[in-house]
Amino acid sequence: ETGVTQSPTHLIKTRGQQVTLRCSSQSGHNTVSWYQQALGQGPQFIFQYYREEENGRGNFPPRFSGLQFPNYSSELNVNALELDDSALYLCASGPGTSGSNNEQFFGPGTRLTVL
Amino acid sequence: GEDVEQSLFLSVREGDSSVINCTYTDSSSTYLYWYKQEPGAGLQLLTYIFSNMDMKQDQRLTVLLNKKDKHLSLRIADTQTGDSAIYFCAETFGANSGGYQKVTFGIGTKLQVIP
Repeated sequence: ETGVTQSPTHLIKTRGQQVTLRCSSQSGHNTVSWYQQALGQGPQFIFQYYREEENGRGNFPPRFSGLQFPNYSSELNVNALELDDSALYLCASGPGTSGSNNEQFFGPGTRLTVL
Repeated sequence: GEDVEQSLFLSVREGDSSVINCTYTDSSSTYLYWYKQEPGAGLQLLTYIFSNMDMKQDQRLTVLLNKKDKHLSLRIADTQTGDSAIYFCAETFGANSGGYQKVTFGIGTKLQVIP
């Protein structure tokens, strides 16, 4: 139990639609990161938010966007869904303190299927 | 650039030791992690090692780091059926002053423990 929750657990969408995935971080964690894990692959870094601002991004197009709120909740939004967006989406929260191990605590993920 | 490589599959008998290997390319990595993922679940941090260490032991887990060869290994002593899962090697620089921390994962090694 990491204290990080995600909703929904599973989601089915069709190509071209938009989706919002939600994450609730541990209280006091200033950073939230989102990862995409395709079947049989390792998680790929999408972006990270620190105190409600995006402060780093992986190799994902702008149709992947996010929000982080003061109450330690956050969202991942994906527009114009493509079949290849089908994956497990993981959020991870961390304290965001420089110079430390900065363990990231992962949620259980949202399984998105795009038809 | 960052790249983390692992073998895809390892099968061991219950009670034997398991050794999962990983190589990484970025010599400036600060922390190296081992995560465990069970079916349908998120990622669980098993252990980590700081880049200036050679070895870390935590109960049945031993992590060895060869920084010269950029090689990391995870040894699980007395492997149990409950250890069956996918194990991910990951690297990070650690958080900077802006809290930014990107973690780069390998593809994962599926460990099968035969009773």
